Amino acid sequence: KQEVTQIPAALSVPEGENLVLNCSFTDSAIYNLQWFRQDPGKGLTSLLLIQSSQREQTSGRLNASLDKSSGRSTLYIAASQPGDSATYLCAVRPGYGNKLVFGAGTILRVKS
Amino acid sequence: DTAVSQTPKYLVTQMGNDKSIKCEQNLGHDTMYWYKQDSKKFLKIMFSYNNKELIINETVPNRFSPKSPDKAHLNLHINSLELGDSAVYFCASSQPLASSYNEQFFGPGTRLTVL
Repeated sequence: KQEVTQIPAALSVPEGENLVLNCSFTDSAIYNLQWFRQDPGKGLTSLLLIQSSQREQTSGRLNASLDKSSGRSTLYIAASQPGDSATYLCAVRPGYGNKLVFGAGTILRVKS
Repeated sequence: DTAVSQTPKYLVTQMGNDKSIKCEQNLGHDTMYWYKQDSKKFLKIMFSYNNKELIINETVPNRFSPKSPDKAHLNLHINSLELGDSAVYFCASSQPLASSYNEQFFGPGTRLTVL
């Protein structure tokens, strides 16, 4: 059974810092991995999708890496801004099913 | 021009009632999902439909009955609501698993409160 863990559970940084959010999964047989952002009381916004054959994806100040064999992904946020404050969710699509398995999320607060 | 929309956004009801949540996507996707986010903010799959056919039912009580009248719609009907059903319910859609690009897109959520 696939399980996804995100570390840290919460993170508070000053504006301008570069930061890394970590995601690990127990079964390396995944189809893809997706990073989301969720603002309080809002839905999920897809940030990056990494296919199992890819090592990383970049979008603006965001860079996500995937090491499938070790069951790890990282989301790197460069030059953080207060507007980046949100909950960041990692989700994997197991190779056997048409669904996403989510981690519990990392709550990020960027202080101005 | 919202990609995945849900109605209502908020739903407050009494225990024992029956209620429905509607979901529509205009992305042309074949696959739609219902997820539940509990009070601890943990998201978990409930159902997945592909081309109007149920393909995942993740041990959800049979008080929950999804219905897909067409590929663009997936509604969720809940009978005999219980206190533990209080949560945020998210609809999502994607291309099928076999597609080379199957990013999931989520709706804004429906916050259900059972009193």
